[in-house]
Amino acid sequence: QPVLTQSSSASTSLGSSVKLTCTLSSGHSSYIIAWHQQHPGKAPRFLMKLEGSGSYNKGSGVPDRFSGSSSGADRYLTISNLQFEDEADYYCETWDTNTRVFGGGTKLTVL
Amino acid sequence: QVQLQQWGAGLLKPSEALSLTCAVYGGSFSTYWWSWIRQPPGKGLEWIGEIKGSGTTSYNPSLKSRVTISLDTSKNQFSLRLSSLTAADTAVYYCARGGGPLDNWGQGTPVTVSS
Repeated sequence: QPVLTQSSSASTSLGSSVKLTCTLSSGHSSYIIAWHQQHPGKAPRFLMKLEGSGSYNKGSGVPDRFSGSSSGADRYLTISNLQFEDEADYYCETWDTNTRVFGGGTKLTVL
Repeated sequence: QVQLQQWGAGLLKPSEALSLTCAVYGGSFSTYWWSWIRQPPGKGLEWIGEIKGSGTTSYNPSLKSRVTISLDTSKNQFSLRLSSLTAADTAVYYCARGGGPLDNWGQGTPVTVSS
């Protein structure tokens, strides 16, 4: 089954941009993933579905500041013009026949 | 707009069974997969299993022996039962809609297993 690898943390300044990475394991580089945002004490929120081509479809109400891209086995979430409300945990997810897996999550701090 | 609302007992003793239910409001029930996910305190997300509107199930192999997911199509609800609980099952439990990415989540139910 696929494995998703994420950096444990990232930090960047208010108003800047950040690019979070989710890496698919060997043999699974073509997989579609999803990105989710989770604030402390809240349920995860679906942000987007992201294909290996770099094409993405965002969830309802997700700001334009959020975008996705891909390169090989890497899937990226870029957040532009960072706001304090973007400080959260970000998880990637993928799925296959009879299984669904999550990355370990990246904790994003906005300075 | 799909909404998922979940409920169930939040404090259980070791060896007891957890039972949670998730109601789906809006959208088609039969054409999606309906999932359960949990999150231990301070940790990441763990997929427990899911059920298709047709009744087909898939479970996380690490939990398969203790998990049952069922659905009630007449009420647009699906349920989770997790048996033989231990302290390691303490977590917030979420229901969600799948069939592709998990694109709608319930509000979460905190479950504590303690004697």
